[in-house]
Amino acid sequence: GAVVSQHPSRVICKSGTSVKIECRSLDFQATTMFWYRQFPKKSLMLMATSNEGSKATYEQGVEKDKFLINHASLTLSTLTVTSAHPEDSSFYICSAKDSWAAQPQHFGDGTRLSIL
Amino acid sequence: GIQVEQSPPDLILQEGANSTLRCNFSDSVNNLQWFHQNPWGQLINLFYIPSGTKQNGRLSATTVATERYSLLYISSSQTTDSGVYFCAARTNTGNQFYFGTGTSLTVIP
Repeated sequence: GAVVSQHPSRVICKSGTSVKIECRSLDFQATTMFWYRQFPKKSLMLMATSNEGSKATYEQGVEKDKFLINHASLTLSTLTVTSAHPEDSSFYICSAKDSWAAQPQHFGDGTRLSIL
Repeated sequence: GIQVEQSPPDLILQEGANSTLRCNFSDSVNNLQWFHQNPWGQLINLFYIPSGTKQNGRLSATTVATERYSLLYISSSQTTDSGVYFCAARTNTGNQFYFGTGTSLTVIP
């Protein structure tokens, strides 16, 4: 089955650091990937749509300069949390869909980010 | 984007009981999925069900696309069924995939 690999699974770093999270589709091509954020005991909030070869589309209220997204190939999207602060601590999860339309969405295992 | 609402928000069951979780969505969809999120945060895909009915062991799901809702049935619940259940949907006209509000299920022995 389709696999989405997300790395790292856990990050702990100091305030002011920039953190990069990778999302890879291992056995299929994904022209579009999605990044979500989840606060404790809350649902998953869509942050942005990552489009291969073009700019990401951000949801309302998400700071594009804080959360940089790059989708340089059909199998890799990266989310960089720039100058991270404690309020950026959260669970981040990516997903991808095979480029063919009628397919389910596949999810990575998530990244737990803790900013000290 | 599409609005996805789930009910009930919380559910406590005795082991062996049956339950029905509901997912309402505000627009026509071409993708509807049910997930179980485990304590480590992993999303376990239960069903890809934009329409119709599917069954997998003690779980089954039905989506009535014309009436904009989906149901997840859990029969003979077990303590290992505890956790949060999400539905998520994509509209026919959009590309984004939005999650519902979730149902937190606790199954007690």
